[in-house]
Amino acid sequence: ELKVEQNPLFLSMQEGKNYTIYCNYSTTSDRLYWYRQDPGKSLESLFVLLSNGAVKQEGRLMASLDTKARLSTLHITAAVHDLSATYFCAVLPSGTYKYIFGTGTRLKVLA
Amino acid sequence: NAGVTQTPKFRILKIGQSMTLQCTQDMNHNYMYWYRQDPGMGLKLIYYSVGAGITDKGEVPNGYNVSRSTTEDFPLRLELAAPSQTSVYFCASSSGDRAGNQPQHFGDGTRLSIL
Repeated sequence: ELKVEQNPLFLSMQEGKNYTIYCNYSTTSDRLYWYRQDPGKSLESLFVLLSNGAVKQEGRLMASLDTKARLSTLHITAAVHDLSATYFCAVLPSGTYKYIFGTGTRLKVLA
Repeated sequence: NAGVTQTPKFRILKIGQSMTLQCTQDMNHNYMYWYRQDPGMGLKLIYYSVGAGITDKGEVPNGYNVSRSTTEDFPLRLELAAPSQTSVYFCASSSGDRAGNQPQHFGDGTRLSIL
């Protein structure tokens, strides 16, 4: 069974702290995506990672991809309250059009 | 920019009723998708389309049907609604000469309750 696992599932952190969210997947893929979802809202694209070793940064967020380890990380630097949301990773297995989403990491940044 | 537009935003159905969830995109994207999101969970792919006239099943297609007669529209049909289909439904589209090169753009979702 194809799986995309995120951990932690819940994360409560203080403003100013750093933390990393992990996304492990069980299939061959060189395409991984990170999305953000605010409560009751739609999904917003954060990063598209298209090759082994890909690293992308936007503001306080940085994402990386290791296709050999089947692992992506989303690193948060000096968290601020506005980053509170649920973060999803998604994988597109090689040779398919069927995206698989992780169950999400619910992040709460405390002032 | 309209992007991906879903209608209706909310709907309550009785068990056994049928309905169509509408999805339209104005970005000329080839790839379109339907997902469902159950509370506290990730998205599960119901159906997808790689272009007009071409559709295929995703992970959870049972109880649903789709069609893609134009590039812009990708309606999702629920036949004989069941309580297990209570969920939030998202439509998404993406571009690129190869699937996956670009991110998916999501609509605002349809919140559907089956009672």
